[in-house]
Amino acid sequence: DGGITQSPKYLFRKEGQNVTLSCEQNLNHDAMYWYRQDPGQGLRLIYYSQIVNDFQKGDIAEGYSVSREKKESFPLTVTSAQKNPTAFYLCASSISGGRDETQYFGPGTRLLVL
Amino acid sequence: AQSVTQLDSQVPVFEEAPVELRCNYSSSVSVYLFWYVQYPNQGLQLLLKYLSGSTLVKGINGFEAEFNKSQTSFHLRKPSVHISDTAEYFCAVSDQGFQKLVFGTGTRLLVSP
Repeated sequence: DGGITQSPKYLFRKEGQNVTLSCEQNLNHDAMYWYRQDPGQGLRLIYYSQIVNDFQKGDIAEGYSVSREKKESFPLTVTSAQKNPTAFYLCASSISGGRDETQYFGPGTRLLVL
Repeated sequence: AQSVTQLDSQVPVFEEAPVELRCNYSSSVSVYLFWYVQYPNQGLQLLLKYLSGSTLVKGINGFEAEFNKSQTSFHLRKPSVHISDTAEYFCAVSDQGFQKLVFGTGTRLLVSP
């Protein structure tokens, strides 16, 4: 079955630690996205990538980093510079990033700070 | 900058009753509009989208939405809800250029027997 997988489902971060969230898709999509979801705030765009080896900052990129070395993979690193990382993180993809396209979402990773 | 307003954070309704979830947007250019649904602890799934043409859009699970350009609204409706419709619903807008969706804050639909 085609889809998007995210791992782990739950992730715990200690103070000063960098953690990486995995996102893999087998839909053959060019465009991939990372969102952060906080209660009562909807989804906010962290980073997006339209093609391999290229990515752009979204609205709340500070304290995060990404890479796009393979078409199917778009990992997100939450760095120690992100002072309030507790949230639900969602990865999505679309065919090529066209404004009329449907975005397909993974099941999410919940990040908690110890 | 574009924005999306979902005024109702929570809408309680009884099973088999009709429901309307409100969405208003602000944008100075033509927009594409989306409704996504999120079941607890899951990702989002597309319900329907308006790109052009007929202002009444039909989606999955019996939902429909009407685009009203003069009122800058895109309200979601269902004539008879089921317990399984309990979820959070997000309205989103995409304007020109690369798809950068802007989401509303969501409306939690609570269906009780």
